[in-house]
Amino acid sequence: DVKVTQSSRYLVKRTGEKVFLECVQDMDHENMFWYRQDPGLGLRLIYFSYDVKMKEKGDIPEGYSVSREKKERFSLILESASTNQTSMYLCASSLNLGPYLFGPGTRLTVT
Amino acid sequence: EDKVVQSPLSLVVHEGDTVTLNCSYEVTNFRSLLWYKQEKKAPTFLFMLTSSGIEKKSGRLSSILDKKELFSILNITATQTGDSAIYLCARGDSGNTPLVFGKGTRLSVIA
Repeated sequence: DVKVTQSSRYLVKRTGEKVFLECVQDMDHENMFWYRQDPGLGLRLIYFSYDVKMKEKGDIPEGYSVSREKKERFSLILESASTNQTSMYLCASSLNLGPYLFGPGTRLTVT
Repeated sequence: EDKVVQSPLSLVVHEGDTVTLNCSYEVTNFRSLLWYKQEKKAPTFLFMLTSSGIEKKSGRLSSILDKKELFSILNITATQTGDSAIYLCARGDSGNTPLVFGKGTRLSVIA
């Protein structure tokens, strides 16, 4: 059963902490994406990657960075977590121009 | 300015009703229009539409695209409580740029 997995379903961190959100896909997809989802704002693209060691900024990259050292893994890093980064984080992957397959999401709370 | 606009934002219907969800988009380098269903976790893929006038159908769900008027509709017949979810549409542009999502329609089906 092909899938996208995310390291944690729920995460609570303190302001100023460095936070790592991991995403792994087992479908050999080239494309991987990180979104955050907030009520009333929908899905907003943070970063994406079309290949290993490649990354592109999305619509809201400020306060985030990413790493893609292997094709199957795309990590989102919050260098210094802030309360306004409390959100649902969704990872997705796709093959070429196909539909995205989403992971289960990580609900991050920053206190 | 929203590039993909969904309406209504929320909707409450009774079991057995038929609902129509709307998605309009700006014309750019349009390639495809996708629909997703999101319950309590990750969005799951429903349909991808690329050609006008060709209905895609899966059980009680169907969708159609109008590339001239720049919109798509998602129909759900004989609704059930299990259809309660957020329905997202997304526009795919040429050149493998990331999908642009609407803010979603929250559908609640009550018994």
